[in-house]
Amino acid sequence: GAVVSQHPSWVICKSGTSVKIECRSLDFQATTMFWYRQFPKQSLMLMATSNEGSKATYEQGVEKDKFLINHASLTLSTLTVTSAHPEDSSFYICSAPSARGPYEQYFGPGTRLTVT
Amino acid sequence: DAKTTQPPSMDCAEGRAANLPCNHSTISGNEYVYWYRQIHSQGPQYIIHGLKNNETNEMASLIITEDRKSSTLILPHATLRDTAVYYCIVRFTNQAGTALIFGKGTTLSVSS
Repeated sequence: GAVVSQHPSWVICKSGTSVKIECRSLDFQATTMFWYRQFPKQSLMLMATSNEGSKATYEQGVEKDKFLINHASLTLSTLTVTSAHPEDSSFYICSAPSARGPYEQYFGPGTRLTVT
Repeated sequence: DAKTTQPPSMDCAEGRAANLPCNHSTISGNEYVYWYRQIHSQGPQYIIHGLKNNETNEMASLIITEDRKSSTLILPHATLRDTAVYYCIVRFTNQAGTALIFGKGTTLSVSS
Protein backbone atom coordinates (compact mmCIF):
# COMPACT_ATOMS: atom_id res chain seq x y z
CA GLY A 1 0.00 0.00 0.00
CA ALA A 2 0.92 3.63 -0.21
CA VAL A 3 3.54 4.76 2.24
CA VAL A 4 4.56 8.13 3.58
CA SER A 5 7.93 8.45 5.25
CA GLN A 6 9.40 11.13 7.48
CA HIS A 7 12.96 11.97 8.29
CA PRO A 8 14.31 12.21 10.87
CA SER A 9 12.18 10.14 13.23
CA TRP A 10 13.49 12.13 16.15
CA VAL A 11 15.76 15.12 16.60
CA ILE A 12 17.17 17.08 19.49
CA CYS A 13 18.32 20.62 18.84
CA LYS A 14 19.43 23.62 20.82
CA SER A 15 17.27 26.65 21.31
CA GLY A 16 17.73 29.18 18.52
CA THR A 17 18.72 26.69 15.85
CA SER A 18 16.64 25.53 12.88
CA VAL A 19 15.48 22.02 12.13
CA LYS A 20 14.25 20.58 8.84
CA ILE A 21 11.80 17.68 8.69
CA GLU A 22 11.18 15.83 5.43
CA CYS A 23 7.99 14.14 4.36
CA ARG A 24 8.05 11.85 1.33
CA SER A 25 5.38 9.91 -0.51
CA LEU A 26 7.17 6.72 -1.48
CA ASP A 27 5.08 5.17 -4.22
CA PHE A 28 2.65 7.85 -5.25
CA GLN A 29 2.64 11.51 -6.14
CA ALA A 30 1.15 14.04 -3.78
CA THR A 31 0.40 17.54 -4.99
CA THR A 32 -0.89 18.26 -1.51
CA MET A 33 0.49 17.27 1.86
CA PHE A 34 -0.54 18.26 5.33
CA TRP A 35 1.48 19.02 8.42
CA TYR A 36 0.19 18.38 11.93
CA ARG A 37 1.58 19.00 15.38
CA GLN A 38 0.72 16.94 18.43
CA PHE A 39 1.55 17.80 22.02
CA PRO A 40 1.57 15.10 24.71
CA LYS A 41 -1.85 13.68 25.52
CA GLN A 42 -3.49 15.91 22.93
CA SER A 43 -4.99 15.33 19.52
CA LEU A 44 -3.41 16.19 16.20
CA MET A 45 -3.63 19.85 15.26
CA LEU A 46 -3.44 20.85 11.62
CA MET A 47 -0.68 23.37 11.05
CA ALA A 48 -0.61 23.90 7.32
CA THR A 49 -1.36 22.58 3.86
CA SER A 50 1.63 22.13 1.61
CA ASN A 51 0.99 22.65 -2.10
CA GLU A 52 3.40 21.57 -4.81
CA GLY A 53 4.46 24.55 -6.85
CA SER A 54 2.77 27.16 -4.71
CA LYS A 55 2.80 28.66 -1.25
CA ALA A 56 1.63 26.73 1.74
CA THR A 57 -1.61 27.58 3.46
CA TYR A 58 -1.29 28.03 7.21
CA GLU A 59 -3.94 27.54 9.85
CA GLN A 60 -4.88 30.42 12.06
CA GLY A 61 -2.35 30.98 14.79
CA VAL A 62 0.52 29.21 13.04
CA GLU A 63 3.44 31.52 12.27
CA LYS A 64 4.39 31.10 8.63
CA ASP A 65 7.76 32.74 9.15
CA LYS A 66 8.61 30.31 11.89
CA PHE A 67 7.36 27.14 10.25
CA LEU A 68 8.66 27.25 6.69
CA ILE A 69 7.11 24.78 4.30
CA ASN A 70 8.51 23.90 0.90
CA HIS A 71 6.83 21.42 -1.42
CA ALA A 72 9.79 20.90 -3.71
CA SER A 73 8.43 18.06 -5.81
CA LEU A 74 5.45 15.78 -6.16
CA THR A 75 6.91 13.42 -3.58
CA LEU A 76 8.61 15.72 -1.08
CA SER A 77 7.47 18.38 1.37
CA THR A 78 9.71 19.86 4.03
CA LEU A 79 8.90 21.66 7.27
CA THR A 80 11.62 23.84 8.73
CA VAL A 81 11.22 25.01 12.29
CA THR A 82 13.28 28.19 12.46
CA SER A 83 14.79 29.61 15.64
CA ALA A 84 13.38 26.74 17.61
CA HIS A 85 12.38 27.21 21.24
CA PRO A 86 11.50 24.65 23.90
CA GLU A 87 7.80 25.30 23.35
CA ASP A 88 8.22 24.01 19.79
CA SER A 89 9.04 20.60 21.18
CA SER A 90 6.34 18.36 19.82
CA PHE A 91 5.47 15.42 17.59
CA TYR A 92 5.22 16.54 13.96
CA ILE A 93 3.25 14.39 11.52
CA CYS A 94 2.68 14.75 7.79
CA SER A 95 0.01 13.17 5.62
CA ALA A 96 -0.95 12.91 1.98
CA PRO A 97 -4.23 12.01 0.30
CA SER A 98 -4.38 8.55 -1.18
CA ALA A 99 -3.72 8.28 -4.86
CA ARG A 100 -6.22 5.44 -5.08
CA GLY A 101 -9.31 7.45 -4.42
CA PRO A 102 -10.87 9.99 -2.15
CA TYR A 103 -11.34 7.84 0.88
CA GLU A 104 -8.05 7.57 2.66
CA GLN A 105 -5.12 9.62 3.76
CA TYR A 106 -1.73 8.20 4.53
CA PHE A 107 0.21 9.45 7.47
CA GLY A 108 3.91 9.48 8.09
CA PRO A 109 5.34 7.89 11.22
CA GLY A 110 5.98 11.27 12.80
CA THR A 111 9.05 13.21 13.94
CA ARG A 112 9.72 13.84 17.62
CA LEU A 113 11.36 17.25 18.07
CA THR A 114 12.95 18.16 21.36
CA VAL A 115 14.38 21.64 21.77
CA THR A 116 16.74 22.09 24.69
CA ASP B 1 -17.89 19.08 8.91
CA ALA B 2 -20.41 17.38 11.19
CA LYS B 3 -19.22 17.25 14.76
CA THR B 4 -18.59 13.90 16.40
CA THR B 5 -18.76 12.83 20.04
CA GLN B 6 -16.81 9.88 21.40
CA PRO B 7 -16.26 8.59 24.93
CA PRO B 8 -12.80 9.61 26.15
CA SER B 9 -11.76 6.11 27.12
CA MET B 10 -12.76 2.46 27.03
CA ASP B 11 -11.33 -0.79 28.31
CA CYS B 12 -11.49 -4.18 26.68
CA ALA B 13 -10.20 -7.62 27.58
CA GLU B 14 -7.91 -9.29 25.10
CA GLY B 15 -9.82 -11.61 22.79
CA ARG B 16 -13.12 -9.90 23.35
CA ALA B 17 -14.90 -7.62 20.92
CA ALA B 18 -14.25 -3.90 21.31
CA ASN B 19 -17.22 -1.74 20.40
CA LEU B 20 -16.36 1.93 20.03
CA PRO B 21 -19.32 4.29 19.67
CA CYS B 22 -19.44 7.60 17.85
CA ASN B 23 -22.26 10.10 17.83
CA HIS B 24 -22.66 12.32 14.76
CA SER B 25 -26.22 13.55 15.07
CA THR B 26 -25.72 16.50 12.70
CA ILE B 27 -24.34 14.44 9.84
CA SER B 28 -25.64 15.36 6.41
CA GLY B 29 -26.60 13.03 3.59
CA ASN B 30 -23.34 13.26 1.67
CA GLU B 31 -20.98 12.90 4.60
CA TYR B 32 -19.05 9.71 5.16
CA VAL B 33 -17.96 8.30 8.50
CA TYR B 34 -14.25 7.53 8.73
CA TRP B 35 -12.33 5.81 11.48
CA TYR B 36 -8.62 6.17 12.09
CA ARG B 37 -6.48 5.07 14.97
CA GLN B 38 -3.19 6.23 16.41
CA ILE B 39 -0.96 3.89 18.28
CA HIS B 40 1.31 5.66 20.74
CA SER B 41 4.04 7.73 19.07
CA GLN B 42 3.03 6.71 15.56
CA GLY B 43 1.14 8.40 12.75
CA PRO B 44 -2.61 7.73 12.42
CA GLN B 45 -3.75 4.70 10.47
CA TYR B 46 -6.86 4.38 8.35
CA ILE B 47 -9.27 1.69 9.56
CA ILE B 48 -12.53 1.85 7.68
CA HIS B 49 -15.17 4.20 6.29
CA GLY B 50 -18.83 4.06 5.28
CA LEU B 51 -21.80 6.08 4.13
CA LYS B 52 -24.96 4.26 5.18
CA ASN B 53 -24.38 0.54 4.82
CA ASN B 54 -22.47 -1.54 7.30
CA GLU B 55 -18.91 -2.19 6.22
CA THR B 56 -16.34 -4.83 7.07
CA ASN B 57 -12.70 -5.24 6.21
CA GLU B 58 -9.76 -7.18 7.55
CA MET B 59 -9.34 -4.79 10.46
CA ALA B 60 -12.83 -4.00 11.68
CA SER B 61 -16.54 -3.65 11.09
CA LEU B 62 -18.46 -0.41 10.95
CA ILE B 63 -22.11 -0.35 11.93
CA ILE B 64 -24.02 2.82 11.03
CA THR B 65 -27.52 3.33 12.42
CA GLU B 66 -30.37 3.69 9.97
CA ASP B 67 -30.77 7.39 10.76
CA ARG B 68 -26.97 7.77 10.42
CA LYS B 69 -26.77 9.75 13.61
CA SER B 70 -24.38 7.32 15.23
CA SER B 71 -22.02 4.51 14.41
CA THR B 72 -20.00 1.80 16.12
CA LEU B 73 -16.57 0.55 15.22
CA ILE B 74 -16.16 -3.11 16.10
CA LEU B 75 -12.83 -4.84 16.59
CA PRO B 76 -14.04 -8.44 16.74
CA HIS B 77 -11.15 -9.95 18.71
CA ALA B 78 -9.14 -7.22 20.34
CA THR B 79 -5.45 -7.78 20.94
CA LEU B 80 -2.93 -5.86 23.00
CA ARG B 81 -1.72 -4.26 19.77
CA ASP B 82 -5.13 -2.64 19.32
CA THR B 83 -4.45 -0.35 22.28
CA ALA B 84 -4.61 3.08 20.65
CA VAL B 85 -6.60 6.29 20.30
CA TYR B 86 -9.50 5.83 17.88
CA TYR B 87 -10.83 8.78 15.95
CA CYS B 88 -14.24 9.02 14.32
CA ILE B 89 -14.33 11.68 11.60
CA VAL B 90 -17.19 12.78 9.39
CA ARG B 91 -16.59 14.52 6.10
CA PHE B 92 -17.76 14.99 2.54
CA THR B 93 -16.17 12.96 -0.23
CA ASN B 94 -15.45 16.15 -2.16
CA GLN B 95 -13.12 17.06 0.69
CA ALA B 96 -10.85 14.23 -0.36
CA GLY B 97 -7.98 16.60 -1.01
CA THR B 98 -8.36 18.42 2.26
CA ALA B 99 -6.92 17.71 5.66
CA LEU B 100 -8.57 15.53 8.25
CA ILE B 101 -9.62 17.37 11.37
CA PHE B 102 -9.19 15.28 14.49
CA GLY B 103 -11.25 15.45 17.65
CA LYS B 104 -10.14 13.99 20.94
CA GLY B 105 -10.99 10.40 20.06
CA THR B 106 -11.41 7.39 22.33
CA THR B 107 -8.44 5.85 24.07
CA LEU B 108 -8.94 2.09 23.94
CA SER B 109 -6.95 0.06 26.43
CA VAL B 110 -6.81 -3.67 25.77
CA SER B 111 -5.56 -5.75 28.67
CA SER B 112 -4.76 -9.41 29.12
